[in-house]
Order: sequence, then structure tokens, then C-alpha cells
Amino acid sequence: AIQMTQSPSSLSASVGDRVTITCRASQFIRKDLGWYQHKPGKPPKLLIYAASSLQSGVPSRFSGGGSGTNFTLTISSLQPEDFATYYCLQDHIYPNTFGQGTKLEIK
Amino acid sequence: QVQVVESGGGVVQPGRSLRLSCAASGFTFNNYAIHWVRQAPGKGLEWVSFISDDGSNKYYADSVKGRFTVSRDNSKNTVYLQMNSLSVEDTAVFYCAKAGSYMGALDYWGQGTLVTVSS
Repeated sequence: AIQMTQSPSSLSASVGDRVTITCRASQFIRKDLGWYQHKPGKPPKLLIYAASSLQSGVPSRFSGGGSGTNFTLTISSLQPEDFATYYCLQDHIYPNTFGQGTKLEIK
Repeated sequence: QVQVVESGGGVVQPGRSLRLSCAASGFTFNNYAIHWVRQAPGKGLEWVSFISDDGSNKYYADSVKGRFTVSRDNSKNTVYLQMNSLSVEDTAVFYCAKAGSYMGALDYWGQGTLVTVSS
């Protein structure tokens, strides 16, 4: 199975900061990657699909980039509601696989 | 509005079986694939299974292959996850999620159902 490695595992930041989370695939996955936001007690929420396409209704401060094996999720100006855990998910080949998650905490 | 609702979770002994259901509404069910994802206590998300819109294609995580079986009944707008030979490592919240027009995008999720495997 394809291994997805996210970094960092955790991140402290302040409201208004620009943050970037990275995800690296163990093999080439074209642009077959999504990003999800997960808050405790709630289901995950799709933010980005196909590496860089913004899901309908998601604020434009979220953006995705990359292709091949290296991908990024950037939040341009953190808002209080953005503090959560973020996961990448490769959908290039089955079994699909998630990264281990990046917990974004308030500094 | 689009809804997916999981049910069937509960407490089960190791080695026993359980069947989860995922009931959908608000969209043309037989046009969309469904994924199952789980989260064990204190752990990250784990992709579990996929079933295509017509049920002809099914895929599983290595950790559940041979023990879990996904199926769907399009006349009932429902997907099922039959889980056999459960172990304590299967304890998790199980989510079903609708795939979008881009099949890899899980665009609507249920609230999840908790499966606890314990003696």
C-alpha cells in the first residue's frame, strides 16, 4: 500500500498566521490527493480534492498544491475555527491511505 | 439535503461479527460510490473500504481484507459493512462517506457509529 507521510505531526500557530502542511507519498500518485479537516466529535470535512481543487463552500483561505509525490495544504490566514487535525488521503490506488494527521493548535 | 447515516454499532466480543449500515438520502444513490473510514480511540483516520455505484467494484484495507465485506442495496439506498472475526484492534468510530463526482473525494460524511470490541 502507498504510505502517506505528513509533516509536521503538530503545529502551534496564532490567528492570522499563514501555515503550510505537507504530505509525501511513497510513490507517484499524480494529483490524486485530498485534504480533510477533522474536529473532535464531528465527521471529517473535505477541503481540497484532486490536490488543488477547492471543495464547494470551503473558504478561499484554504489552498492545495503539488503533484507526483509532494503535496501541500496552505491556510493563508488562520481563523479560530481552523484549529483542528488535518489529514491527506491518496485516492490514486486502492487501498486508499491517509496520512497520520497534523494537529493544528492555538499558540 | 444530502444525508448519510450510519447504524449498527455496539459492543461485541472478540471473534464475533457485526453488520453496519449506511442509509443515504438527498441524492441519486445508485450514481455514487461509498467509502468506509474508521478512527480508533486516540488514533488517526484509517480508510477501510470502497464500493462502487453499482456494487461491482469493492476494495479493502489490508487490515480488514478477508474479514470485512461491503455490499449495497440500491433499492434501499443502503450500504452495509459486514465485519467478521472482530478483534480489539477493530474498536473505532466507523464513518461512511459519499464519494463525489470525483470519486476520490469523500464529500458527505455521516456522524459515525461506535464499534467496541471487548470481552
